[in-house]
Amino acid sequence: KNQVEQSPQSLIILEGKNCTLQCNYTVSPFSNLRWYKQDTGRGPVSLTIMTFSENTKSNGRYTATLDADTKQSSLHITASQLSDSASYICVVSRNAGNNRKLIWGLGTSLAVNP
Amino acid sequence: NAGVTQTPKFQVLKTGQSMTLQCAQDMNHEYMSWYRQDPGMGLRLIHYSVGAGITDQGEVPNGYNVSRSTTEDFPLRLLSAAPSQTSVYFCASSYPPNRGQRGYTFGSGTRLTVV
Repeated sequence: KNQVEQSPQSLIILEGKNCTLQCNYTVSPFSNLRWYKQDTGRGPVSLTIMTFSENTKSNGRYTATLDADTKQSSLHITASQLSDSASYICVVSRNAGNNRKLIWGLGTSLAVNP
Repeated sequence: NAGVTQTPKFQVLKTGQSMTLQCAQDMNHEYMSWYRQDPGMGLRLIHYSVGAGITDQGEVPNGYNVSRSTTEDFPLRLLSAAPSQTSVYFCASSYPPNRGQRGYTFGSGTRLTVV
């Protein structure tokens, strides 16, 4: 079954601290993996996209890693800010003939406290 | 600013009423999609379109219709609203995969309540 599981479900950290969010997937055939940030009451915003051959991709203070062998990805946030408080969603794209199919995780809810 | 515009932002319907959720994008994206987001569930695809005049069903299409007469617009129609359609609806657009791996651009959502 094609699934994307994220952990932890929720996380609270202090401003300035680092954190790492996890994503495990069982999606085949794999096309790419995306991380989105969703602020409360807003639509998701793309942070990174990684294909099979990419191990690491950064976007400012956000760094995503991908291990295609173990089917795991992580999103590392450095020097957190209050504005990082949001839900972070891992999405895996599955090749399905000529159509893409996105498998969405449930997200990790991050709260950054002052 | 360029992006995906959804209207309305909030809507309350009575059971059995019909309505259209509007979605427009100005980025010349071929792909457009409608998702619903419910507590405890990942985003679920309702309908999608790979270009003007072409639409297809997603995971949860029942009770919804779409059309794509232009590249820019992709309205979602609720035929006869039911309480189970209470949700937050997101429209998204993107380039096709053969134009590079880029993320979807999402609208800010429509929060729909059916009473």
